[in-house]
Amino acid sequence: GAGVSQSPSNKVTEKGKDVELRCDPISGHTALYWYRQSLGQGLEFLIYFQGNSAPDKSGLPSDRFSAERTGGSVSTLTIQRTQQEDSAVYLCASSFYQDNEQFFGPGTRLTVL
Amino acid sequence: AQKITQTQPGMFVQEKEAVTLDCTYDTSDPSYGLFWYKQPSSGEMIFLIYQGSYDQQNATEGRYSLNFQKARKSANLVISASQLGDSAMYFCAVSSPSFGNEKLTFGTGTRLTIIP
Repeated sequence: GAGVSQSPSNKVTEKGKDVELRCDPISGHTALYWYRQSLGQGLEFLIYFQGNSAPDKSGLPSDRFSAERTGGSVSTLTIQRTQQEDSAVYLCASSFYQDNEQFFGPGTRLTVL
Repeated sequence: AQKITQTQPGMFVQEKEAVTLDCTYDTSDPSYGLFWYKQPSSGEMIFLIYQGSYDQQNATEGRYSLNFQKARKSANLVISASQLGDSAMYFCAVSSPSFGNEKLTFGTGTRLTIIP
């Protein structure tokens, strides 16, 4: 079956521009997560969606970051006025509610020039 | 707060040998989960193994086993009979109620290279 997909795979943008990153979770998964992985680092939690509940935004690094999940499926992570420190790989994961295993997508590599 | 420490930034192991990747964690919750993920050069995170803090036995999944020492807050990954395809980054992670059960806190990873 289809796994978690993310688009684009690579994004190069200029400082100050807005970007949108998309995540398609595995069909039927109610939970969706966004993580960020900076070069040579582990993953850093950004935001978590579970069904129709309010998202857990506690990991978002600034108010330039936002995310939405439409219809309990596809999610978009938006970064406004990008900065060079936003350069990283953004990974999306999904899981069944309270399941132990999170299934990750291939990530979007964002480069801010 | 919870924290994961992986003290081995890189390891080189001869093919077919067993390898142990170290992981220690710090959480104040009595109930928590421990995870190991593999990240090959392609970048995708692959789930390997899970250990619950109240599980009586160490978790095993094929060639992977988790050496769980609760009192020492240690959750080392053991890979038996290593293969060239095991070369990758390996991340330890923890989830716990006080941090939000669903969120994973990751260590900085260990880069494992298998030598033929």
